[in-house]
Amino acid sequence: SAVISQKPSRDICQRGTSLTIQCQVDSQVTMMFWYRQQPGQSLTLIATANQGSEATYESGFVIDKFPISRPNLTFSTLTVSNMSPEDSSIYLCSVEPHPNYGYTFGSGTRLTVV
Amino acid sequence: AQTVTQSQPEMSVQEAETVTLSCTYDTSESDYYLFWYKQPPSRQMILVIRQEAYKQQNATENRFSVNFQKAAKSFSLKISDSQLGDAAMYFCAAYAGNNRKLIWGLGTSLAVNP
Repeated sequence: SAVISQKPSRDICQRGTSLTIQCQVDSQVTMMFWYRQQPGQSLTLIATANQGSEATYESGFVIDKFPISRPNLTFSTLTVSNMSPEDSSIYLCSVEPHPNYGYTFGSGTRLTVV
Repeated sequence: AQTVTQSQPEMSVQEAETVTLSCTYDTSESDYYLFWYKQPPSRQMILVIRQEAYKQQNATENRFSVNFQKAAKSFSLKISDSQLGDAAMYFCAAYAGNNRKLIWGLGTSLAVNP
């Protein structure tokens, strides 16, 4: 299965600032997904990122708040903009399912906004 | 709409014993996939086991097995010979159709008592 390197693993940020999270995949994938996991909750899909096109955002998430880049088939970034304490969560990236291995996830970024 | 329901927020099991985590789902699709993921405190999302809906045989991976009841839309996970390292959040998830989006349950927190 694909191996995903996600950075940073954690960060503490001041409110009003922005943080960019990176995911690097060791193989080419068409679709990448970005999730938010609030404390004690399940995963919520933020957006789907395809290479060469605009990301598709889920209800409740907007591009101005969570801009996504997908410059090639192995890399994507998610920016959390103008952060507030409510943005404190774990953010995970994932790649499209492999027939044998299902979805693969990055190791997650634990974000705390103070 | 697709839904995944985990009705057990918390479970506990004695080391070396067997525990079953429940999951029910709902989808109108005929072709779908079901997954169990494990998330330890490290927050890494790890695929435990997957089941294709068209397969009647229950999936098995070492100490982990599922009881897939298609008519009842039930997909429970059985962990045999529980180990301390099995302590984690367990999420049931499903996807169907062409959008490749995972639908997640709320999770079950499993404690393993020595």
